[in-house]
Formats: sequence, C-alpha cells, structure tokens
Amino acid sequence: GAGVSQSPSNKVTEKGKDVELRCDPISGHTALYWYRQSLGQGLEFLIYFQGNSAPDKSGLPSDRFSAERTGGSVSTLTIQRTQQEDSAVYLCASSPSRAEQFFGPGTRLTVL
Amino acid sequence: GENVEQHPSTLSVQEGDSAVIKCTYSDSASNYFPWYKQELGKGPQLIIDIRSNVGEKKDQRIAVTLNKTAKHFSLHITETQPEDSAVYFCAATSGFQKLVFGTGTRLLVSP
Repeated sequence: GAGVSQSPSNKVTEKGKDVELRCDPISGHTALYWYRQSLGQGLEFLIYFQGNSAPDKSGLPSDRFSAERTGGSVSTLTIQRTQQEDSAVYLCASSPSRAEQFFGPGTRLTVL
Repeated sequence: GENVEQHPSTLSVQEGDSAVIKCTYSDSASNYFPWYKQELGKGPQLIIDIRSNVGEKKDQRIAVTLNKTAKHFSLHITETQPEDSAVYFCAATSGFQKLVFGTGTRLLVSP
C-alpha cells in the first residue's frame, strides 16, 4: 500500500518568510511524528500526535514552530519567520497502534 | 531523558564480510529498539526491530541482539553486498513515544 507522503520534496525560502510542510500518513495510522535531520546529523524529535490526545510538543525548538493534525490524518508543520539554522530535512513518520514508525521521504528546506 | 550512543561512525567492509554496529542506551524504561537504513536523499527505512522481552531477532542476513542488563543492542549484517551501503541508525523508545536516535553509522561495502 501507499507509504507516508510529504510535500513539497524541496522548499527554498528567504530568511524571514513562513513555510508550511505537509505530511500524509499511512491510512489508519493513529500516531504521527515530525523529526528534523540537519546535514550529516541524526534525527531530532519535534512533535508527536496520538489520536485525539494533546500533542507532545516537547521537541519544538522555538515558538516559531507549530504543527497541527486535521481530522486525525494530514498534518502540517509551520515554521514562521524562518532562519538559516532552520535549514534541514523535515521527516514525518506514522505508526499504527504499535511502536513501529514508518517514515516519509522528507522535505528538504533551505533558508537563504 | 534517553540518550543513545552509536559506534562506529563509519565502517568499511569488503563484499561478503560481516558488519556489526553497536548502540548503548541510558533509560532502563526503554523497551523498543528499531534499526533504520537511510539511503542518500531518502527517508529512513525500518529494517529490523527488537523488543525488550527478546534477546535476539533475525531476518535473513540481518540480526539484532539486545542485552538489557548492559543496555547494549547491536545490528549484525552477514554476507554484505554493495547495496547494503547506506547510513544506519539505531533508536530507542519506551512504547508509543518519540524515538531517540543514535548519530548514525555510514556503512560502505566495497565490491
């Protein structure tokens, strides 16, 4: 079946602009995660949605970052007033009611 | 919170050799340990995982071992092939929580 999809695959923006990144999880998966991978680095947790529970936002690096998940499916990660240090690959993962997380291909964000 | 260390950072082997990547974790509450393979320009792909009630798990040429007492877990790849070349990440979590990742191992398999 279809895996996790993310759009856009690449995004180039100017410093100070806002960006929205989209994630479509695997159908039926109740949990959705956002991670960030900086160049040559490991994966850093950002935010986690599980069903109708309040999201775990403990990994968001600043209040410029926010995310929502509509209807328990699609999620959007928004970065306001982008900075150069926001440049990274943003990865989304979804999970059924188990621990396994399945990742999408990521969105490469470049802030000029 | 959880901290995962991964070694080595790079590993070069000849085709047909075995490769071993090791990770340690700090939180004794962690009970799920996945391994991911990431190829250039792609998202991480789950290749094998192990839960804390199991000591070893195999899937064809890939195996994972877990030592809960020592808080160690390892990935073993036998009969390596050039297509095994990628970056491998270990991770740990306590259930339906965020994954805490190691820093990755770049595996290069030479023909």
